[in-house]
Amino acid sequence: LAKTTQPISMDSYEGQEVNITCSHNNIATNDYITWYQQFPSQGPRFIIQGYKTKVTNEVASLFIPADRKSSTLSLPRVSLSDTAVYYCLVGANNDMRFGAGTRLTVKP
Amino acid sequence: GAVVSQHPSRVICKSGTSVKIECRSLDFQATTMFWYRQFPKKSLMLMATSNEGSKATYEQGVEKDKFLINHASLTLSTLTVTSAHPEDSSFYICSARPGLAGDMGLGEQYFGPGTRLTVT
Repeated sequence: LAKTTQPISMDSYEGQEVNITCSHNNIATNDYITWYQQFPSQGPRFIIQGYKTKVTNEVASLFIPADRKSSTLSLPRVSLSDTAVYYCLVGANNDMRFGAGTRLTVKP
Repeated sequence: GAVVSQHPSRVICKSGTSVKIECRSLDFQATTMFWYRQFPKKSLMLMATSNEGSKATYEQGVEKDKFLINHASLTLSTLTVTSAHPEDSSFYICSARPGLAGDMGLGEQYFGPGTRLTVT
């Protein structure tokens, strides 16, 4: 299983763009990269998923370089409500496990 | 779409009793459901994977006789914590993966809101 490494915590200010990078050096050919957001005492919420290059949806972008050994979640113009823990998961089908996650704190 | 519910959201029980937690996919069929537990300020730890109509696959170190999982239908999985003890107090979260791979994104899981179990 591909292990992931993320920064433990990050601070940002309202209105800024936040980029959270995840390293996954042992990613396998069939693995997808998925990001989740979790607020305290709630279940994780799906943010975005990708396999290669760039994926964008209404809340975030996901950048994946050609070697797929890392990925970057980009949150445009964060607000206070984006304060949460962000998890990067790498895997396929049933082989996805959570790493430690990144605790993002957005300040006014 | 893609809503997963859990019941109860919070439960307090006495040591030695059993507690059942339900996980339902409300608007899709889930061939696979997952059960996690999470301690305060820690990440989610996968406990087991259940497939409809077959036995659950437990992660190493998780006692299958203590954490009974039943995935009797395509929309319902239950986790029963048997003979609960204070150390079983935790936040239990289920997730469901719709249909076959590719129906809604390979590997994409939808999570329930979690169940806070406190064993006194």
